[in-house]
Amino acid sequence: DAGVTQSPTHLIKTRGQQVTLRCSPKSGHDTVSWYQQALGQGPQFIFQYYEEEERQRGNFPDRFSGHQFPNYSSELNVNALLLGDSALYLCASDLRLAGGPGEQFFGPGTRLTVL
Amino acid sequence: QKEVEQDPGPLSVPEGAIVSLNCTYSNSAFQYFMWYRQYSRKGPELLMYTYSSGNKEDGRFTAQVDKSSKYISLFIRDSQPSDSATYLCAMSAIGPGRRALTFGSGTRLQVQP
Repeated sequence: DAGVTQSPTHLIKTRGQQVTLRCSPKSGHDTVSWYQQALGQGPQFIFQYYEEEERQRGNFPDRFSGHQFPNYSSELNVNALLLGDSALYLCASDLRLAGGPGEQFFGPGTRLTVL
Repeated sequence: QKEVEQDPGPLSVPEGAIVSLNCTYSNSAFQYFMWYRQYSRKGPELLMYTYSSGNKEDGRFTAQVDKSSKYISLFIRDSQPSDSATYLCAMSAIGPGRRALTFGSGTRLQVQP
């Protein structure tokens, strides 16, 4: 049973560029969340997708956008990259439960470096 | 003030010791509590998932939640060098549109052989 997969593993971009990160959820999961983890910090919630719609959003600017496909996979797009966007980007998936979060399983992350 | 506070460590213990890791939080709406383990340059791995107050045990790991004190703990018995990692606590509220996890900054644990 494949867990959460993410691509690419590493990415180097320059300021002002745009980037797309991809995530495939764990088999049987229908909800995908994206987190940003700066060095030495805990992950920060960016947004969550369910049924191809953004359901919840953290305190991130509109430069961060996403998409969920019918097969539950997801993309995270970041426009006009800033040096401060350098971080580990984590995708987590879970099975949506009534009321609270399911057990969220994380992928290995994509390490983005902005020069 | 951060919603979730966690001592960054590092916490260094000898092999076989009992380890206690803790988080405090300020948001009384948090109802779900998790512990993740993260090895260097890897994604977090879910260790424990609990709802509301009480204890939960899984092998060498025990999670405790005290909602009256807004305090959660993870105990690791018979610690091993392979337990050396960063431990993250995470929490979530209940209800539609409130499924995001709020993390602590992590405690780095070193188990010395």
